[in-house]
Amino acid sequence: GAGVSQSPRYKVAKRGQDVALRCDPISGHVSLFWYQQALGQGPEFLTYFQNEAQLDKSGLPSDRFFAERPEGSVSTLKIQRTQQEDSAVYLCASRVRSQSTDTQYFGPGTRLTVL
Amino acid sequence: QKEVEQNSGPLSVPEGAIASLNCTYSDRGSQSFFWYRQYSGKSPELIMSIYSNGDKEDGRFTAQLNKASQYVSLLIRDSQPSDSATYLCAVNVRNTNAGKSTFGDGTTLTVKP
Repeated sequence: GAGVSQSPRYKVAKRGQDVALRCDPISGHVSLFWYQQALGQGPEFLTYFQNEAQLDKSGLPSDRFFAERPEGSVSTLKIQRTQQEDSAVYLCASRVRSQSTDTQYFGPGTRLTVL
Repeated sequence: QKEVEQNSGPLSVPEGAIASLNCTYSDRGSQSFFWYRQYSGKSPELIMSIYSNGDKEDGRFTAQLNKASQYVSLLIRDSQPSDSATYLCAVNVRNTNAGKSTFGDGTTLTVKP
């Protein structure tokens, strides 16, 4: 079946602009994560949804970052008044978990460049 | 100190050799451990998960976990040039419903033909 999709794949923003990044998880996956990956580093956790509920937003770096998943499927990560330090790849992952496995499937990411 | 530490590399091995990748973590409450492969410009892809002490083998890959030493490793046997990538170690620091992962910064592996 289809994997996790993200759009746009690339986004260039001028400093101060608002951006919205979209994630379409694997159908039926309840759990959805957003990560931020800077160049040369591992992904850093931003926020977690279970269905439409945002259960953990402890990784959001500032109040300029906002995420939602209103119907429990598609999620949007919004960054207001972008700054150069926001330049990174934003990864979305959906998860399936059973008694014996716990697997996150990552989307291709959105590469955000703030000029 | 990062919660998950990896040698950044680069690690270079000849084709056919065994590549050994290491990872240490700081939280003794960690429950689940993962190895991801990330090709340049691509997203992470899960290749191994391990939840209990000991070895877990899957094809050419073996994950090893030692919770007492807070250490997890990945061995790649018969390394191929296509294995050249960055390998990310990830740890779920609590057995919570969230299951968020904390990642190391990765080890870059180059397999030379």
